[in-house]
Amino acid sequence: AQSVTQLDSQVPVFEEAPVELRCNYSSSVSVYLFWYVQYPNQGLQLLLKYLSGSTLVKGINGFEAEFNKSQTSFHLRKPSVHISDTAEYFCAVDLGGGGKLIFGQGTELSVKP
Amino acid sequence: DAGVTQSPTHLIKTRGQQVTLRCSPKSGHDTVSWYQQALGQGPQFIFQYYEEEERQRGNFPDRFSGHQFPNYSSELNVNALLLGDSALYLCASSRVFDVAKNIQYFGAGTRLSVL
Repeated sequence: AQSVTQLDSQVPVFEEAPVELRCNYSSSVSVYLFWYVQYPNQGLQLLLKYLSGSTLVKGINGFEAEFNKSQTSFHLRKPSVHISDTAEYFCAVDLGGGGKLIFGQGTELSVKP
Repeated sequence: DAGVTQSPTHLIKTRGQQVTLRCSPKSGHDTVSWYQQALGQGPQFIFQYYEEEERQRGNFPDRFSGHQFPNYSSELNVNALLLGDSALYLCASSRVFDVAKNIQYFGAGTRLSVL
């Protein structure tokens, strides 16, 4: 079965430090990949997406992610985090473009001063 | 430009009752998907509606049903509520002719508590 694994449930980091949130997926078909952010008591906001083309994609708020097909990974990175980045981050895949998103369990990013 | 709107924001029901949640898609979007997010979990796909028909369905029982109206808005109905149905219900909209770019925009959700 296709699945998405977010390797870290919690990532504590100090302000202005770099961060990487890891995501691996399993699929035998073409995939579209997404990262969403969820602030407390809110819905999901799209950070960035990989649909095709360049494997390095840039999103909002200074985040970027790299699609690695051989390692079936789509890790999210930010070179310098802010307190306001504290939130839950979800990796998601859309298998074949049908619009059914499969989400990982989420990674709680906690940025400390 | 209004985004995806959901109502109500919070709802409390008793076991065995029925509930209806509502969603208005983002302007220009014609496809609505529903997700259930249990506490501490990632969202799980319930079903997707396009042209007033259910196009895809996740692993949810028949107690979960939906509807899409001609104006593309949608309802999620849950019958015979169980305690385990307590969750945040998220609606997402997209545009079918962007299939290759099927980017879904989410509403803020409806928090359902079943007592």
